[in-house]
Amino acid sequence: DTAVSQTPKYLVTQMGNDKSIKCEQNLGHDTMYWYKQDSKKFLKIMFSYNNKELIINETVPNRFSPKSPDKAHLNLHINSLELGDSAVYFCASNSGGWNEQFFGPGTRLTVL
Amino acid sequence: AQTVTQSQPEMSVQEAETVTLSCTYDTSESDYYLFWYKQPPSRQMILVIRQEAYKQQNATENRFSVNFQKAAKSFSLKISDSQLGDAAMYFCAYRVDGATNKLIFGTGTLLAVQP
Repeated sequence: DTAVSQTPKYLVTQMGNDKSIKCEQNLGHDTMYWYKQDSKKFLKIMFSYNNKELIINETVPNRFSPKSPDKAHLNLHINSLELGDSAVYFCASNSGGWNEQFFGPGTRLTVL
Repeated sequence: AQTVTQSQPEMSVQEAETVTLSCTYDTSESDYYLFWYKQPPSRQMILVIRQEAYKQQNATENRFSVNFQKAAKSFSLKISDSQLGDAAMYFCAYRVDGATNKLIFGTGTLLAVQP
């Protein structure tokens, strides 16, 4: 039943490590997004893919690399994790046009 | 660049009362969408209501309604008959052009509902 799912929901890791967050949507949407919510709850777009093609890359450090193996999946890989990467990362999707974006449950990343 | 401003970091309302959350935005576009999202402690982002800029009529969803003033670039959310379950962080968001559909969020308003 889950429309947009993310794994894991919680991720605790050490500085310098490499980690991945996975996102899957079963809504048949063409467009998927990654947003970052910082410790002050501010939400900001990071990336967007439309049908496996990158369409938004919002001045994110190149340690962050999104990958979309197919239009139902959008993963986020982060290299050399830093303390400032600690945040909640949300995946979202929509069917294009002016339609609603559906959000996943978020992944809380804590870098120690 | 488009920006969204929520000037009330925190608000409080008594159960069954009405509360209004403020949002202003800046854009040079004429066609856009505006949204209010609710984020309860579970952190799930839930769409509350949306407004198409070309529609003059204010959107309404049950106890939730908006006051959309396009010329003033204002988009406030009114919650009537507040319930304990309305306690959450509320985000105003602006939808950029149709090519990317990215959302630009305000900084949020934390709403407390007092029994």
